Amino acid sequence: DARVTQTPRDKVTEMGQEVTMRCQPILGHNTVFWYRQTMMQGLELLAYFRNRAPLDDSGMPKDRFSAEMPDATLATLKIQPSEPRDSAVYFCASGLSGGGETQYFGPGTRLLVL
Amino acid sequence: GQSLEQPSEVTAVEGAIVQINCTYQTSGFYGLSWYQQHDGGAPTFLSYNALDGLEETGRFSSFLSRSDSYGYLLLQELQMKDSASYFCAVRGSNYQLIWGAGTKLIIKP
Repeated sequence: DARVTQTPRDKVTEMGQEVTMRCQPILGHNTVFWYRQTMMQGLELLAYFRNRAPLDDSGMPKDRFSAEMPDATLATLKIQPSEPRDSAVYFCASGLSGGGETQYFGPGTRLLVL
Repeated sequence: GQSLEQPSEVTAVEGAIVQINCTYQTSGFYGLSWYQQHDGGAPTFLSYNALDGLEETGRFSSFLSRSDSYGYLLLQELQMKDSASYFCAVRGSNYQLIWGAGTKLIIKP
């Protein structure tokens, strides 16, 4: 049963600390998406990749956030330095280009920045 | 700009039928998707319409009218486990999805 995996599932950190979230997309999927979800803002697209190349990161605060895909089995989202307003659930999703209507979501990383 | 509008909340009775509407305004359109998200969970794919008409999958159906920039999700024989948030999303020209704000479905016994 192929699934998107994300680590860590929960993260509590202090303001100013670096946070790294990891995602393993479903094997064979060539698109990866990072979303942030809060009660106030709903589901926001932060960045997405196709064939490991970043296609759009316009939704991401560039001064503190960075997203990379070092290889086809790993995507990372980093926040440095973290701020309390970054507290949210961060989802990774993967899919197939040409089948972009279906995205498969990981369980999410619940981040709390104190 | 690009936007999708759906009701913020809908209430229905167990066993009944409920329709969740979605209107969209986007620069490119390649299809309308629906996702379900339970509290504390991740969004899961329900259905996709690329062409006009009705798509049926069990108790759930989804409809699209491209000329009206409108679609809906129809849930029949509602069960308590259907209580969740439902999101419509439009696929843009670059394979990304543009998301609505979500509709919270409350089901009463």
